[in-house]
Amino acid sequence: DVKVTQSSRYLVKRTGEKVFLECVQDMDHENMFWYRQDPGLGLRLIYFSYDVKMKEKGDIPEGYSVSREKKERFSLILESASTNQTSMYLCASSLDPGYSPLHFGNGTRLTVT
Amino acid sequence: QQPVQSPQAVILREGEDAVINCSSSKALYSVHWYRQKHGEAPVFLMILLKGGEQKGHEKISASFNEKKQQSSLYLTASQLSYSGTYFCGSNTGKLIFGQGTTLQVKP
Repeated sequence: DVKVTQSSRYLVKRTGEKVFLECVQDMDHENMFWYRQDPGLGLRLIYFSYDVKMKEKGDIPEGYSVSREKKERFSLILESASTNQTSMYLCASSLDPGYSPLHFGNGTRLTVT
Repeated sequence: QQPVQSPQAVILREGEDAVINCSSSKALYSVHWYRQKHGEAPVFLMILLKGGEQKGHEKISASFNEKKQQSSLYLTASQLSYSGTYFCGSNTGKLIFGQGTTLQVKP
């Protein structure tokens, strides 16, 4: 089974802090994704990556950046955390989203105070 | 632009049927369907790859009308285990999800 592991289940940070959310997958998938989930808004795409060092903006990239130095790891960075970034963050990987499923991690619940 | 799902919420009795619709404003290459239970990660149900294609998963099936840029998920003879939030994902070059449909099945 594909395993997508997010480093923290819960995280509490202060406004202005730089925050790193880490995601690792063990199936050699080319494609990795970061979504945030908020009640009533569904899953919104922040960034995705289709190869090492390659990244594409999703629908809500403002205030975020990403890093993919190795194929198995995709990091989401909040350069200066703000309270409106309090949310559930979900990482996912896929062989090819055109015809293969996304495998999700268990999520990181981030609270910015 | 997120695809639009309808209804937003539905309550069923065990054994009843439900349909969840997903509509995109952009051309679709494929459509994904996932179910998420409270506190858990979304779980894959199925992908539809071609216009008009229907796929099935136990008593859950789906259709995809490429021309209308729409997909529908059909849940027949619902079970308590079907409760959760259902998301469609539209693949338009990037995978964008709808806002979700909450389904509650009561005994």
